[in-house]
Amino acid sequence: DQQVKQNSPSLSVQEGRISILNCDYTNSMFDYFLWYKKYPAEGPTFLISISSIKDKNEDGRFTVFLNKSAKHLSLHIVPSQPGDSAVYFCAASANSGAGSYQLTFGKGTKLSVIP
Amino acid sequence: GAVVSQHPSRVICKSGTSVKIECRSLDFQATTMFWYRQFPKQSLMLMATSNEGSKATYEQGVEKDKFLINHASLTLSTLTVTSAHPEDSSFYICSARTGYSNQPQHFGDGTRLSIL
Repeated sequence: DQQVKQNSPSLSVQEGRISILNCDYTNSMFDYFLWYKKYPAEGPTFLISISSIKDKNEDGRFTVFLNKSAKHLSLHIVPSQPGDSAVYFCAASANSGAGSYQLTFGKGTKLSVIP
Repeated sequence: GAVVSQHPSRVICKSGTSVKIECRSLDFQATTMFWYRQFPKQSLMLMATSNEGSKATYEQGVEKDKFLINHASLTLSTLTVTSAHPEDSSFYICSARTGYSNQPQHFGDGTRLSIL
């Protein structure tokens, strides 16, 4: 049972436009959500996170939105740059209970930013 | 930002060999370290969680006698793949985090293990 789902395996966006990556989750215990960027043969790089008490967090070109009622979060990148081309993983964790702080990852979305 | 160093980046060895992978947090104290395995075009699968000074907690289906984890200090965890076989070939990644809530895990660059 996949608790974190990224339903789009790939996304192509023109340089300068907005990239929107989506993620859905099923576990209502999740209260901390993260986005990671990953290049082939490298470990994931932390991008941005949001706790469940917020609905938006912004850091430069990256904004994460959280809709708790829909169990949905999204990552917006604007403007998109060719260097943003990578696989983006959505991850979630619960800060309490069994397995606290463990991350559950989605399968990733490969973003291609076209110059 | 926080830096996690993983070594070696690539290992090629014969079947039956034991391989040790090191994971170090360079600029913070890692209360908890995690070991993941990634298959091609798949997500990261958590293998085990280790807290400094205590035994690792393994995920279901992960053989603890096969994958030995030692978290001897707040900056170092090791994963030893014992008597490795070709089916153990994979990309292994470690991560580390502090003990504070709502803090991200920071990942090493991974180790590509190839067993001949």
